[in-house]
Amino acid sequence: KAGVTQTPRYLIKTRGQQVTLSCSPISGHRSVSWYQQTPGQGLQFLFEYFSETQRNKGNFPGRFSGRQFSNSRSEMNVSTLELGDSALYLCASSSGGKDYEQYFGPGTRLTVT
Amino acid sequence: AQSVTQLDSQVPVFEEAPVELRCNYSSSVSVYLFWYVQYPNQGLQLLLKYLSGSTLVKGINGFEAEFNKSQTSFHLRKPSVHISDTAEYFCAVRNSGNTPLVFGKGTRLSVIA
Repeated sequence: KAGVTQTPRYLIKTRGQQVTLSCSPISGHRSVSWYQQTPGQGLQFLFEYFSETQRNKGNFPGRFSGRQFSNSRSEMNVSTLELGDSALYLCASSSGGKDYEQYFGPGTRLTVT
Repeated sequence: AQSVTQLDSQVPVFEEAPVELRCNYSSSVSVYLFWYVQYPNQGLQLLLKYLSGSTLVKGINGFEAEFNKSQTSFHLRKPSVHISDTAEYFCAVRNSGNTPLVFGKGTRLSVIA
């Protein structure tokens, strides 16, 4: 089975711009979660989508949004980028079942200048 | 709200020595516990998980962890480390139900030859 893929792997944007990141989960997985990883804050949960519906949401401003398509692929969007949005954005997929074992992608490294 | 504390941010250890990475969580209600490893420029890989049953859990690469409900701990151990174990290790906890994973800040394990 192919693993979780994330595109692009690296991205450089300017303050004020917007960005869209993409995640393709493992085939058959219906749940996709997004995390932001920074040296200062560690891994912080952004949101989770399950069967195209947002099931959980972390404590991030409304500039961070996401969606999931019928094929379970997910995108997250960050509008009006700030310097502090520079981070590694990780996507994880799971079957959505009780054990909640998550499989992580390699991440997208976003740099905001 | 659930929180996870990894007591050591960095742990240096000589090759072939034993190591213990400590993890404590805040809530003693029904929980699922995980350890993940992250190598440089990669996503997270699951080492092991505790869902129920035996409190001693064995994972990949010779790692094991023990769930201690009274002390709300889930420490990770390996009897003999290798240079290739150098990485960042994350403890994560999830309450029962469809709640998101909560991660600790991570412990950087450095194995010295």
